[in-house]
Amino acid sequence: DAKTTQPTSMDCAEGRAANLPCNHSTISGNEYVYWYRQIHSQGPQYIIHGLKNNETNEMASLIITEDRKSSTLILPHATLRDTAVYYCIVRPYSGNTPLVFGKGTRLSVIA
Amino acid sequence: NAGVTQTPKFQVLKTGQSMTLQCAQDMNHEYMSWYRQDPGMGLRLIHYSVGAGITDQGEVPNGYNVSRSTTEDFPLRLLSAAPSQTSVYFCASSRQSGYGYTFGSGTRLTVV
Repeated sequence: DAKTTQPTSMDCAEGRAANLPCNHSTISGNEYVYWYRQIHSQGPQYIIHGLKNNETNEMASLIITEDRKSSTLILPHATLRDTAVYYCIVRPYSGNTPLVFGKGTRLSVIA
Repeated sequence: NAGVTQTPKFQVLKTGQSMTLQCAQDMNHEYMSWYRQDPGMGLRLIHYSVGAGITDQGEVPNGYNVSRSTTEDFPLRLLSAAPSQTSVYFCASSRQSGYGYTFGSGTRLTVV
């Protein structure tokens, strides 16, 4: 059973913020939310992760709702190079659980 | 610091041949994994390892073997190649479970 639900595809205008939603209504207390992206035919790239507080790094911001049942990845000023498939993954921070990918959201940034 | 290095980048095999896809990382990462990605599809986990001497099966392990004799290397062996194994193979490593994974650039395998 998929632990996350993401829209299949989204478009975003270049220079605007891209807001990618993820639903994870069955998330457990010890599970974090991770985001990766895969630019065409390249290996996936880690973006950010968080537990319950909002997180920000040089690539993106992660907003997690108070009940932790959903989150949003924000790319503040999308560029054409941000066109990729974005994966939202929930998994425990510790332990031996491997990283398993779902179908992700295909983000197209349009000039 | 080379990160995760996969070799070869491209390979064509005949049905029934065997080969080993190499994966090496120089970051002293404990966790390593192998994925396959078929055209237009998502990544599927083949095998993974949480440390030297420890391996486990992922979603699609059939037809593949792995071993982890050192922290640095995690080779993937195709026992008897089949056309259904035509795919792009990615290796990834992580310092510990909670950290982000670093991925290699992939091996593009075609079985004819």
